Amino acid sequence: AQSVAQPEDQVNVAEGNPLTVKCTYSVSGNPYLFWYVQYPNRGLQFLLKYITGDNLVKGSYGFEAEFNKSQTSFHLKKPSALVSDSALYFCAVRDGRGSTLGRLYFGRGTQLTVWP
Amino acid sequence: DAGVTQSPTHLIKTRGQQVTLRCSPKSGHDTVSWYQQALGQGPQFIFQYYEEEERQRGNFPDRFSGHQFPNYSSELNVNALLLGDSALYLCASSLVGGRYEQYFGPGTRLTVT
Repeated sequence: AQSVAQPEDQVNVAEGNPLTVKCTYSVSGNPYLFWYVQYPNRGLQFLLKYITGDNLVKGSYGFEAEFNKSQTSFHLKKPSALVSDSALYFCAVRDGRGSTLGRLYFGRGTQLTVWP
Repeated sequence: DAGVTQSPTHLIKTRGQQVTLRCSPKSGHDTVSWYQQALGQGPQFIFQYYEEEERQRGNFPDRFSGHQFPNYSSELNVNALLLGDSALYLCASSLVGGRYEQYFGPGTRLTVT
């Protein structure tokens, strides 16, 4: 069965400092991994994905994520946090088998707060 | 380029009533998925429609049903509403043979009283 764990409900970081939001996953077969961000009373906005290739993937707004197969992790990172990055972040996974049809399994989310 | 749109934005219903939520996919997309996001939780997959057929279904009762139209838009219907159905309902669209990521609409906030 597919599942995602986001071990931290909240992450707090000062503006300008690097940030990391953690995600581990369990999936049958090769994982397809995604990060989404949700602002209050809004839908989910796609940030980045790992399908295959380089373990370090770059996405929107300066975010990047590192895929680690041995640790089954896909942590989201940013070298220098902004106050505007404060939001709810979701990691999601699907298995890589089959077509592009497929459901996403989401973690519970991590609330990121960046203070000035 | 129009993104995913959903209507209505908010909805208040009484227990036992029925509700219909609507979704128009992102331009060029042909697949619609529906998710339920309860307060403080991650989105939970309800079902997915492609070529006007339900292709996958999550662990939701038959009270939850859907439809996809020839123009790829979709409806989510929930019958016999329960208090526990109160949630944000998210529609996501994607393209078969495309890039795998799903694009989400702003959601419909359903409150059951």
